[in-house]
Amino acid sequence: GQQLNQSPQSMFIQEGEDVSMNCTSSSIFNTWLWYKQDPGEGPVLLIALYKAGELTSNGRLTAQFGITRKDSFLNISASIPSDVGIYFCAGQLSTGGFKTIFGAGTRLFVKA
Amino acid sequence: NAGVTQTPKFQVLKTGQSMTLQCAQDMNHEYMSWYRQDPGMGLRLIHYSVGAGITDQGEVPNGYNVSRSTTEDFPLRLLSAAPSQTSVYFCASRKSGSSGNTIYFGEGSWLTVV
Repeated sequence: GQQLNQSPQSMFIQEGEDVSMNCTSSSIFNTWLWYKQDPGEGPVLLIALYKAGELTSNGRLTAQFGITRKDSFLNISASIPSDVGIYFCAGQLSTGGFKTIFGAGTRLFVKA
Repeated sequence: NAGVTQTPKFQVLKTGQSMTLQCAQDMNHEYMSWYRQDPGMGLRLIHYSVGAGITDQGEVPNGYNVSRSTTEDFPLRLLSAAPSQTSVYFCASRKSGSSGNTIYFGEGSWLTVV
């Protein structure tokens, strides 16, 4: 079946550093979504991407929908302690009303 | 602003027991689903529904049943709990159609089977 390869699995960074994570797949996706999960909570949507090549920002977060439609990346600039959590990418296929594939997540640790 | 509501938040079961995880959404979303989250494996789809009266299997359906008698509710039933079902369960919903791709998650249900 379809799979998303999300990397890195975890990151330990210093406050103020920039962060980059990405997802790749052998499948073409119609939509890419990036979620953040705080400890003990459900995932919350950060950014949604709907077109190949699309670059979208949400505050210090920037995400891009790859031209090939098989990848996406998320950047966080000037990280702060509250950025700690698990970041998930998710791809939605062009067929099948609810076919959403999630990456395994990137655990981000930020040291003040 | 209820969104997606799951209960219970925490549950401990003995092997072989049955239970139901409740899920309700007040956004009039057509699509609802259940995921389980295990370390290093992301979110895996258990069952989903595209509307009242319609359900289908996801990636890991074995050992679970669902029903969708109303648009608002989508309970997940564990028929005979096994230790392998120890996990965090998330209910999610979204609107149908290409313009409603955003998935909204509940806060999660932590289940331990001993």
